[in-house]
Amino acid sequence: EAQVTQNPRYLITVTGKKLTVTCSQNMNHEYMSWYRQDPGLGLRQIYYSMNVEVTDKGDVPEGYKVSRKEKRNFPLILESPSPNQTSLYFCASSFLGAEAFFGQGTRLTVV
Amino acid sequence: GIQVEQSPPDLILQEGANSTLRCNFSDSVNNLQWFHQNPWGQLINLFYIPSGTKQNGRLSATTVATERYSLLYISSSQTTDSGVYFCAVMDSSYKLIFGSGTRLLVRP
Repeated sequence: EAQVTQNPRYLITVTGKKLTVTCSQNMNHEYMSWYRQDPGLGLRQIYYSMNVEVTDKGDVPEGYKVSRKEKRNFPLILESPSPNQTSLYFCASSFLGAEAFFGQGTRLTVV
Repeated sequence: GIQVEQSPPDLILQEGANSTLRCNFSDSVNNLQWFHQNPWGQLINLFYIPSGTKQNGRLSATTVATERYSLLYISSSQTTDSGVYFCAVMDSSYKLIFGSGTRLLVRP
């Protein structure tokens, strides 16, 4: 089954404790990206990648890192999480310019 | 950048009713998608519809790219249709730009 898989689905962590949210897709898509969704602010892009070893900042990259060492994986790293990073996170993938598919979402709470 | 506006912001229907959701966008786009965000927060693909009309069961969508709008039709609504419906367009850097959504509640 074609899918984008994020883990974990839910996470509660403490300020400053490094964490990684994984994202994997099995559709051989070149383009992968991360979004966060916040009440009143909608969905905003954090980082994106057009292919292996090619990543770039989206609209709200501060406090996040990404890597794209393999085509199928695009992890999101929070090196020192803060409460303002409490949000619902989505990973997405697509062929360039084509239909995008989203993961199930990761609900992160930083206390 | 491209602006995406959705209307209405909120909609309450009785089960069995029909509805039309609208999405206006400010510039020409190559990609338009409709999503349903269910009560568990998942974004479900409904339509990939840069232009023309598509139908999938009780749902259909029409995009008139030259006039910069898209419509999502829901017929014979069911309680499971409740949630938030998002329209999203893709800009020249392949980023999806989302509207603010239409929150739909279908009452039994």
